[in-house]
Amino acid sequence: QKEVEQNSGPLSVPEGAIASLNCTYSDRGSQSFFWYRQYSGKSPELIMSIYSNGDKEDGRFTAQLNKASQYVSLLIRDSQPSDSATYLCAVRKGGGADGLTFGKGTHLIIQP
Amino acid sequence: GAVVSQHPSRVICKSGTSVKIECRSLDFQATTMFWYRQFPKQSLMLMATSNEGSKATYEQGVEKDKFLINHASLTLSTLTVTSAHPEDSSFYICSAKVGEGQFFGPGTRLTVL
Repeated sequence: QKEVEQNSGPLSVPEGAIASLNCTYSDRGSQSFFWYRQYSGKSPELIMSIYSNGDKEDGRFTAQLNKASQYVSLLIRDSQPSDSATYLCAVRKGGGADGLTFGKGTHLIIQP
Repeated sequence: GAVVSQHPSRVICKSGTSVKIECRSLDFQATTMFWYRQFPKQSLMLMATSNEGSKATYEQGVEKDKFLINHASLTLSTLTVTSAHPEDSSFYICSAKVGEGQFFGPGTRLTVL
């Protein structure tokens, strides 16, 4: 089982709609969870971080964490064409290990 | 947000040569930096954790003698790919730890001929 799993997509969403991105992780000891956006040929850009169960909202973005289900999601409201990118889910295990484990990413396409 | 720079952004070299990549935190001090590698259509893979003033911690399967890491100051970490081969061609990205998160540099695309 892969440590961090994401559906690679592409996920196609009409402009103005809600894009829903999902991620599962295998290590129950994981403590910190991040969503990064990566445009083709560029490095990742941090969008959201979440550390406790529940929802966390920042502008058009909402991150959701359910540790019991080992599930993290990202909702993007009022999707814009500029949101088209690959979204990477990353997990930090804790216990002194600071490096991040990334999923392969979901390719999101916002259709004008 | 915190700004991390990398140099060079792109490098092409011949097989057998060594390549040094620099990672700098521009407006903050970074005790801990990380080096990742990303092959086409793959996820970022952590190579090593670089701690200022001490030896780097390498992930399983990463050869420490091939990928030399030096973190001599609080704003600079370097990765040297020694005796590079075509299979080392990849996108190398550094990041700096800021609080609980990490901010990434723009990456270095290495092509080994």
